[in-house]
Amino acid sequence: QKEVEQNSGPLSVPEGAIASLNCTYSDRGSQSFFWYRQYSGKSPELIMFIYSNGDKEDGRFTAQLNKASQYVSLLIRDSQPSDSATYLCAVNKGNSNSGYALNFGKGTSLLVTP
Amino acid sequence: NAGVTQTPKFQVLKTGQSMTLQCAQDMNHNSMYWYRQDPGMGLRLIYYSASEGTTDKGEVPNGYNVSRLNKREFSLRLESAAPSQTSVYFCASSARTLQVAYEQYFGPGTRLTVT
Repeated sequence: QKEVEQNSGPLSVPEGAIASLNCTYSDRGSQSFFWYRQYSGKSPELIMFIYSNGDKEDGRFTAQLNKASQYVSLLIRDSQPSDSATYLCAVNKGNSNSGYALNFGKGTSLLVTP
Repeated sequence: NAGVTQTPKFQVLKTGQSMTLQCAQDMNHNSMYWYRQDPGMGLRLIYYSASEGTTDKGEVPNGYNVSRLNKREFSLRLESAAPSQTSVYFCASSARTLQVAYEQYFGPGTRLTVT
């Protein structure tokens, strides 16, 4: 089982709709969870991080974490064409000695249509 | 603040040639990382340095070596390039604490082609 799994998509949503991106992880000891956005030909850009169960909101973005189900999601409200990108879920592995390397999912491609 | 910088941006090598990819960060971060990204494979960790003076292998270290030159700089060396090393290489850095993993910030990447 891959450590971090995401549906590759593409996920297509109309402009103004809510986009829901999902991620599951296998290591129950994971403590830190991150969402990155990557435009084609560019480097990953951090959108949000979440450490505790529940929801965390930042502008149009909401991250949701359920450690019991080993599930983390990202909601994008009022989706815009500029949100069209690949979204990477990342989960920490290791410990303080290992510098907290991250395991990345392969990403979900999001397409927001006008 | 430049964040994380990488040089070069593009490189073409012939099989067997060597080269060093340079990475520097100005955020006073302790930890630095090298990833490669291939279509369909996602980001894979090559090597990382939890703090100045330490380096460790990641998921795909074969064919690479690294040097943590100082707190700011972390280089990746290909001693004898192979076509399988054609990829996009990203350097990243993060703060480090004993309690929690901090977010990583990525450089712009180096696009390497080995013919």
